Parts: sequence; structure tokens; C-alpha cells
Amino acid sequence: KAGVTQTPRYLIKTRGQQVTLSCSPISGHRSVSWYQQTPGQGLQFLFEYFSETQRNKGNFPGRFSGRQFSNSRSEMNVSTLELGDSALYLCASSLVGQGVYNEQFFGPGTRLTVL
Amino acid sequence: AQSVTQLGSHVSVSEGALVLLRCNYSSSVPPYLFWYVQYPNQGLQLLLKYTTGATLVKGINGFEAEFKKSETSFHLTKPSAHMSDAAEYFCAVSSYHGSSNTGKLIFGQGTTLQVKP
Repeated sequence: KAGVTQTPRYLIKTRGQQVTLSCSPISGHRSVSWYQQTPGQGLQFLFEYFSETQRNKGNFPGRFSGRQFSNSRSEMNVSTLELGDSALYLCASSLVGQGVYNEQFFGPGTRLTVL
Repeated sequence: AQSVTQLGSHVSVSEGALVLLRCNYSSSVPPYLFWYVQYPNQGLQLLLKYTTGATLVKGINGFEAEFKKSETSFHLTKPSAHMSDAAEYFCAVSSYHGSSNTGKLIFGQGTTLQVKP
């Protein structure tokens, strides 16, 4: 079974631009979560999507947004990029079951550099 | 609110020596606890998890961890380090508590493990 895939793997943008990152979850996984990883702040939760609905959100400004499609693929968008948005963005997918915890499986990440 | 503290941002051991990576958590509800490993330029791989039941959990690659509620700890150990264990290790806690919500993961700052020949 293929793992979580993220595209692109590397991205260079300039301040003020916007960027869209894509995540394809493991087949059958309906929950997709996004995390930002930086040397200073570590790993921080951005948001979680399930059935095309955002059901959990971290403490990030409104410039960070996401969506999920009917096939569970997810995109996140960052508008008006700032230098501090340079980070590794990780996507994780999981099954969803009532009363059962399902672990998150992570993709390789997209390395975003803002110049 | 939940939080995770990993003691020591860098740990160095000799090949064959005991590996001990420390993690303490804070949680107002019974925690679900995890250890992940990250190799350079890769995502996170789950080493092991504690949800309920046995407090000593075994994971992949010979790692294990013990949930100690009285000490609010979940330290990761491996009896004998291998060169391939060199990586960054993250302890995490989840707010999941029996609902269909997977829950977001709260991560510690990470510990870089160096293994010397």
C-alpha cells in the first residue's frame, strides 16, 4: 500500500507570494492533518480535515488555510508569505473509527523556503 | 492544555550502549503517548505508542517505553544502540479520548541522538 505522498517536495517562493501544497493520504484514510516544522518552534499542528470539513485547528493566522476533496486528498495554502513561513510542512493521514484510536502516518514533507 | 517536555536536545551514546531519551508530559485527561523518529529529509515514523493497557510498550527496532503516570513520564529506551539509530526523536501526546476525533498531536522539541562508533 502506498504511503502518504506530498507534492512538491521542495519549493522556493518570495515574500508576499502565495503557495499551495498538496497531500495524498494512504488509500482508505479519510483524516488528513497538517503540521509545520521549524528549528525554532518545532512541530506545530496546523489543522485537521475529515470528510471535507475542518474539525480541528491550531494556533496559526488566517493566512494559513486548507481544504479536503471528496477523494480525501488535501491541500494547504499560505497567502502573503513571510520569511518566517520557511519550514518543512508535514501531512499525516489516518483511518477514522468510532471509539478506536487510529495512528497518524506522515508523509515526507514539503520544504518551503521563502526569500 | 497538554504539553510535552523532552529533556536534552542532544544525546550522544557509544554504539552498543544503552539509549535513554526522556519525555515528560502534562495532560488534564488520560494521555495517549507516542514516540516518533525522523531521519534526515524524511517525515516522521511511529516507533511506539501507549493508549491504554500495559504500561510497558514495545516498538520497532528494539525500542520500548514505559508509561509512568505518577511521574508523568514516557521515557524511550533501547538496550544497545546501533549506528542506524542516529536520528531525531520526538515524543508526542494526543488529546484523543474515545471519540471519532483522531486528535491533534502535541510534540516535544525533539532529541537528536548521536551514536559514536
